Amino acid sequence: AQKITQTQPGMFVQEKEAVTLDCTYDTSDQSYGLFWYKQPSSGEMIFLIYQGSYDEQNATEGRYSLNFQKARKSANLVISASQLGDSAMYFCAMRGIYNQGGKLIFGQGTELSVKP
Amino acid sequence: DAGVIQSPRHEVTEMGQEVTLRCKPISGHNSLFWYRQTMMRGLELLIYFNNNVPIDDSGMPEDRFSAKMPNASFSTLKIQPSEPRDSAVYFCASSLDRGIDEQYFGPGTRLTVT
Repeated sequence: AQKITQTQPGMFVQEKEAVTLDCTYDTSDQSYGLFWYKQPSSGEMIFLIYQGSYDEQNATEGRYSLNFQKARKSANLVISASQLGDSAMYFCAMRGIYNQGGKLIFGQGTELSVKP
Repeated sequence: DAGVIQSPRHEVTEMGQEVTLRCKPISGHNSLFWYRQTMMRGLELLIYFNNNVPIDDSGMPEDRFSAKMPNASFSTLKIQPSEPRDSAVYFCASSLDRGIDEQYFGPGTRLTVT
């Protein structure tokens, strides 16, 4: 069975600083994808970044990067130069590419607060 | 593109009533997902369709829940009869299902059953 663990229920960061949100996963699949989503207080789920299990380079999307350590089964999200608008819940998720079909398994989320 | 469209955005109903949630996926996407979000259980998949066919409904709580996808541009999630414990935010998401594609979420329907 697949499982996502986010051990930080809440995080604080000073505006303009970088922050790392932790995510570890467990799966028996050889091929899988890892995703991060942002959920602001308005409630929508916003896709941020994707990392495939066979991707050799860490994914980057603007100020977001994914620190993928396959042997440690971790996929931490790094947000550089934090902005006030980054305050939100962040969810790590995974899906197996073949065995688990389309199902996304989500972690419990980390609530990030950016301080001015 | 308009994104995933869900209606209604908010629904308040009394216990025992039938509730129907609607979803229009992004045009061209061949997979559609229904998720439920609660404080206690987080985000959990209820059911997903691929090319209009239900693939995995193992997350559907019980027989009170049913979902249909009559065509590529429309899906419904029905709860009959509704109960207070069904109160949650219900998200619809769609994707190109090539195994590596991200899912795009609709704005959600906040359901309150009194």
